[in-house]
Amino acid sequence: SAVISQKPSRDICQRGTSLTIQCQVDSQVTMMFWYRQQPGQSLTLIATANQGSEATYESGFVIDKFPISRPNLTFSTLTVSNMSPEDSSIYLCSVSLSGANVLTFGAGSRLTVL
Amino acid sequence: AQTVTQSQPEMSVQEAETVTLSCTYDTSENNYYLFWYKQPPSRQMILVIRQEAYKQQNATENRFSVNFQKAAKSFSLKISDSQLGDTAMYFCAFMGNNAGNMLTFGGGTRLMVKP
Repeated sequence: SAVISQKPSRDICQRGTSLTIQCQVDSQVTMMFWYRQQPGQSLTLIATANQGSEATYESGFVIDKFPISRPNLTFSTLTVSNMSPEDSSIYLCSVSLSGANVLTFGAGSRLTVL
Repeated sequence: AQTVTQSQPEMSVQEAETVTLSCTYDTSENNYYLFWYKQPPSRQMILVIRQEAYKQQNATENRFSVNFQKAAKSFSLKISDSQLGDTAMYFCAFMGNNAGNMLTFGGGTRLMVKP
C-alpha cells in the first residue's frame, strides 16, 4: 500500500484567510481524493484530484472555495479559501493504487478557524 | 446514488468479548466493494476489512470478520476477543464498480472497549 504524508497536521487560522494542505505519496497513484470530516461526523468527498486537468467536485463543493492542484502522480494540494468557523474540520487525502479498489488515507489535517 | 447506514451511533463491549457492528447499504449495482475502516483518536483511517460483492465467502482478518448478506444489503462487522486498542470510530463504506474508486461512508459507530 502507499504511504501518504499530509501537511500540516493541524493549524489554527483566522477567519477570512486561506490555507493550503499538501498531500505527498511515496509512489505514483492513479486516483487521489480529498475528503472532509466535520466534528463528530463521517467523511464526505470534496473532490477527485485529476492529474493534468481540473478536479472533479462533488455536489456542494466549488472550485473557488476549495481549489485543488495535482501537478503530478505523487502530489496534490487542497486550499481552503476565505475560511469561516464552519470550515473547521479534518481534511483527509486518500489515494488508490491502480487496480487496487481500496483507498489508503493520510493522517489528516485538523483545521480550526477562529 | 448509493447510501450507507450505520444504525448504532455508539456501542460498548467488555474486553475479550465479541461485538457486532451493523451496516446496511442501498445500491442498484451488482458488482461493488464494501469496507470497514477504523479511526482511532489519532484520526488515522485504517482499513480493517474488505469484501468483494461477487464473492460469497465472508472476509476474515484475524479477529475481524464480516457477515455479508447481499440480498439483504447488509454488511456487519464482528470483532472477537475485543481489545482495548479496538476502541475507535468504525466506518462502513461502499465503492461501486463504476464509481472511479470513490468511497461513500456511513455515519460511523463509536466503539468503546471497557477493561
